[in-house]
Amino acid sequence: GAVVSQHPSRVICKSGTSVKIECRSLDFQATTMFWYRQFPKQSLMLMATSNEGSKATYEQGVEKDKFLINHASLTLSTLTVTSAHPEDSSFYICSAREAAGANVLTFGAGSRLTVL
Amino acid sequence: AQSVTQLGSHVSVSEGALVLLRCNYSSSVPPYLFWYVQYPNQGLQLLLKYTTGATLVKGINGFEAEFKKSETSFHLTKPSAHMSDAAEYFCAVSGRTGYSTLTFGKGTMLLVSP
Repeated sequence: GAVVSQHPSRVICKSGTSVKIECRSLDFQATTMFWYRQFPKQSLMLMATSNEGSKATYEQGVEKDKFLINHASLTLSTLTVTSAHPEDSSFYICSAREAAGANVLTFGAGSRLTVL
Repeated sequence: AQSVTQLGSHVSVSEGALVLLRCNYSSSVPPYLFWYVQYPNQGLQLLLKYTTGATLVKGINGFEAEFKKSETSFHLTKPSAHMSDAAEYFCAVSGRTGYSTLTFGKGTMLLVSP
């Protein structure tokens, strides 16, 4: 089946630094990838939709200059949290839409970001 | 517009008992419906989905769900709970076009006691 790899699984950084999270579709091409943020014991909040070769579409309230998304190829999307602050600490999950199938998303394992 | 309501943030069952996780949806168009499971510190795994056809959908790990249009429901069931079923379960809805986004419910934590 489709597999999405997300890296790193955990990252700890100092306040003010930038962190990059990678999301790769391993055995399929994903023209569309999604980035979610999940707060403890809460549901997933869609942050942005990443389309290969074009600018990402951000959800209302998500700062595009804060959360930079790049989808340079059909198998890779990256999320960069710029000038991270403790309130950015969260669980970030990416997903990719398989080309075939009814809007089925395959999710990465998530990345736990802790900003000190 | 679409939304998902999952009744009960926590459901507790004994091992071997019936599992019932409730999901109601609202959608202005005929929906696709999904159940995902999330284990601690992991991503989401698709349990099952309803697109068209048979309204009773069977998924992995012995789970199944029934789409009831008249009740706008898509409840998840399993006849006999196993300890390994303890996890967070998310119901989700999307439209039927290829570019519809997925809207998640708030999740239900399933607790299984021996």
